[in-house]
Amino acid sequence: DQQVKQNSPSLSVQEGRISILNCDYTNSMFDYFLWYKKYPAEGPTFLISISSIKDKNEDGRFTVFLNKSAKHLSLHIVPSQPGDSAVYFCAASPSDQETSGSRLTFGEGTQLTVNP
Amino acid sequence: DVKVTQSSRYLVKRTGEKVFLECVQDMDHENMFWYRQDPGLGLRLIYFSYDVKMKEKGDIPEGYSVSREKKERFSLILESASTNQTSMYLCASSQAGVLNEQFFGPGTRLTVL
Repeated sequence: DQQVKQNSPSLSVQEGRISILNCDYTNSMFDYFLWYKKYPAEGPTFLISISSIKDKNEDGRFTVFLNKSAKHLSLHIVPSQPGDSAVYFCAASPSDQETSGSRLTFGEGTQLTVNP
Repeated sequence: DVKVTQSSRYLVKRTGEKVFLECVQDMDHENMFWYRQDPGLGLRLIYFSYDVKMKEKGDIPEGYSVSREKKERFSLILESASTNQTSMYLCASSQAGVLNEQFFGPGTRLTVL
């Protein structure tokens, strides 16, 4: 039962263009969402997060959009750079610590390749 | 600079061996986590701990156990390694509270022959 799904295993874009990575979730208790980036031979690193009280959060070139009614979020990277090539994981959590215990549920990941 | 370290980057073991994977964090974090990463499956939570000597099962605890005797150290134990436990194992830590990011170690690539 995959509660967080990233349906695109891979995405390839040209340098300077927009990258859009998508994530869907099924658990209506999830109300806090994060994106992590992972380079080969390294652990994932936190990129950006969003709470369900917002529908958009922006940090430099990275913007996360949340559509609660569709249970969908997306990460936009503009402009994309070759150094952005990595695997991107979407993660979700209920904000009620009683039920979550601070645990995250991750998606399968999307391999982004930005071509020079 | 925050740091999560894992005892080995690469490990090769034989079927039936007992395997210990060690994780240490220097951030005084209350929460620690063990995940495995497999292609097409993402990161799946094996066990986590929110305090010393406390542990909770994650989504895939079968075949694994954990130990947390000190706040900074969280060990994952494979009592009798099997080939289907060949995977990348990732340790993470976070402060208490839900809306806190998890910090990950570099991972241990375990191969069970």
